[in-house]
Amino acid sequence: DVKVTQSSRYLVKRTGEKVFLECVQDMDHENMFWYRQDPGLGLRLIYFSYDVKMKEKGDIPEGYSVSREKKERFSLILESASTNQTSMYLCASSGFTDTIYFGEGSWLTVV
Amino acid sequence: GENVEQHPSTLSVQEGDSAVIKCTYSDSASNYFPWYKQELGKRPQLIIDIRSNVGEKKDQRIAVTLNKTAKHFSLHITETQPEDSAVYFCAASIAGNTPLVFGKGTRLSVIA
Repeated sequence: DVKVTQSSRYLVKRTGEKVFLECVQDMDHENMFWYRQDPGLGLRLIYFSYDVKMKEKGDIPEGYSVSREKKERFSLILESASTNQTSMYLCASSGFTDTIYFGEGSWLTVV
Repeated sequence: GENVEQHPSTLSVQEGDSAVIKCTYSDSASNYFPWYKQELGKRPQLIIDIRSNVGEKKDQRIAVTLNKTAKHFSLHITETQPEDSAVYFCAASIAGNTPLVFGKGTRLSVIA
């Protein structure tokens, strides 16, 4: 069974703080993704990676960066958190099939 | 880039009735169309998908149809049950080439 683990489920951060959201998958998947979920806006792609050290911007990359130093780990970084980044963040991975598997999500509140 | 529109945003049906959710896509090169179900407080999970080489696919009470010419695809749930209540997302991509682009979701409520 594919497992995508997001280590932080609920976070409260202050405006201007640097925030790290960690994601680990255990299926040796090549591809990893970060989506943001907001009511009425669906799932929007922030960044994705098709290989270690590789990253590509999604539809809403502003204010975010990512790091993929190891195949199984894909981190989302908010360099200076702002209140409009309060949201749920979903990590996902996929392998040689096109099915993507999501983590449980990280609820971030920026105050 | 790809744009996926999903309708309706909310849908209420009586238990036992059918539910239909429709999506349109913009990129004619897209060839992979999955549907995800997200129950309250849980992660989205794949329930069915279809590729552009087929027009319809069924799995028990759920089915998906695809019209490539019109660039739309639909999810059909028959004999709805309370446990079908969830948010459903459609998505589209060029398989093996581009990431999934999701619709905005449909909140389905099945009333017992």
